Amino acid sequence: GAGVSQSPRYKVAKRGQDVALRCDPISGHVSLFWYQQALGQGPEFLTYFQNEAQLDKSGLPSDRFFAERPEGSVSTLKIQRTQQEDSAVYLCASSLISGTGRQPQHFGDGTRLSIL
Amino acid sequence: AQSVSQHNHHVILSEAASLELGCNYSYGGTVNLFWYVQYPGQHLQLLLKYFSGDPLVKGIKGFEAEFIKSKFSFNLRKPSVQWSDTAEYFCAVMGGGSYIPTFGRGTSLIVHP
Repeated sequence: GAGVSQSPRYKVAKRGQDVALRCDPISGHVSLFWYQQALGQGPEFLTYFQNEAQLDKSGLPSDRFFAERPEGSVSTLKIQRTQQEDSAVYLCASSLISGTGRQPQHFGDGTRLSIL
Repeated sequence: AQSVSQHNHHVILSEAASLELGCNYSYGGTVNLFWYVQYPGQHLQLLLKYFSGDPLVKGIKGFEAEFIKSKFSFNLRKPSVQWSDTAEYFCAVMGGGSYIPTFGRGTSLIVHP
């Protein structure tokens, strides 16, 4: 498909388990973003990649959150020792390049994570 | 730090009514402004954007937004809504030179046929 693909769409995990969320951006898109969207809120920035380089991880809420994009395409967001407050929709977005802030971002459908 | 306020959290309208959704931001410098829409069961998609020039911008599906610098506002409007406009609407702001958007909490619009 031509859009951003995220998997799984839904993930249920027990508190304390580790989870991995996958994002497959639009082909050729250099920039990739991860967001966390809590219920009733707008997306909040987590981290940003330009190709394989993680240029900004200032939004990651704790050291339990880790993201990678080793070959500059697919990205994985990993959450270790999940807590109930990690329950949210995790959105991935990609764009051609974001140096100027003028490139619109293309969003995936998100992964809805529920921690029991 | 920049912030975005969307004062209307839930809006219910009948078809053909006019729509205006408020968006105010706090950032003193140059800004890039966006409205995104999320239809039920779909992903966020860009509705319209403002970078510079004419402060009245037109987007898809008959939507428009006006940037009023003195009021730090970027309100979204549509003269006559349709049932298919039922969706969640998000305003987003990027401070000049930033590549990280700050989103408002969103406005849920329900249009009754």
